[in-house]
Amino acid sequence: GAVVSQHPSWVICKSGTSVKIECRSLDFQATTMFWYRQFPKQSLMLMATSNEGSKATYEQGVEKDKFLINHASLTLSTLTVTSAHPEDSSFYICSAEKSGVNTEAFFGQGTRLTVV
Amino acid sequence: GENVEQHPSTLSVQEGDSAVIKCTYSDSASNYFPWYKQELGKGPQLIIDIRSNVGEKKDQRIAVTLNKTAKHFSLHITETQPEDSAVYFCAATASGGSYIPTFGRGTSLIVHP
Repeated sequence: GAVVSQHPSWVICKSGTSVKIECRSLDFQATTMFWYRQFPKQSLMLMATSNEGSKATYEQGVEKDKFLINHASLTLSTLTVTSAHPEDSSFYICSAEKSGVNTEAFFGQGTRLTVV
Repeated sequence: GENVEQHPSTLSVQEGDSAVIKCTYSDSASNYFPWYKQELGKGPQLIIDIRSNVGEKKDQRIAVTLNKTAKHFSLHITETQPEDSAVYFCAATASGGSYIPTFGRGTSLIVHP
């Protein structure tokens, strides 16, 4: 199977601090990973596409200086929420693209961020 | 771009009944249609998928059908169990490039024991 591990599963931080979320593909290499944000009872909203060794591609309306993405290796992408504010509180989910005959994406378990 | 509509938003069934969730898509270039199950506080998990070269796929109690002409696809769960209760998302994407699915808005399935 294909396993994507996301850490931490939940985090509480104070306003103004930064939080880093890790997304790891455990048993496959992922040149492309994705970061989503999900509000309660809503669908997943794509924030950015993370490409190994290059800059992330952000969706319209997503502040790249607010949500820093680093994809330094084929198995790890990180999302850093900088200077977090209560409105950044949300459920953040990553997915990793597994290439092959049929490309598929596998999701991490999500990170619940609460900014107080 | 792609637009995926999903219905119903909420589905309540009795244990043992069948559940059907329907989705439509707009982009004829889409050729891969995964379904995800998301339990509370967890990430989505792929439960079944179908590609445009087939019309139906089944995996035990779960089946998916695809009608390319009408641009709609459906998830069928038979003999539902309480542990099937979750939010289900359909998605559509075109393979060949990066896997960036367009998700439906989700269906909250509640299976009453």
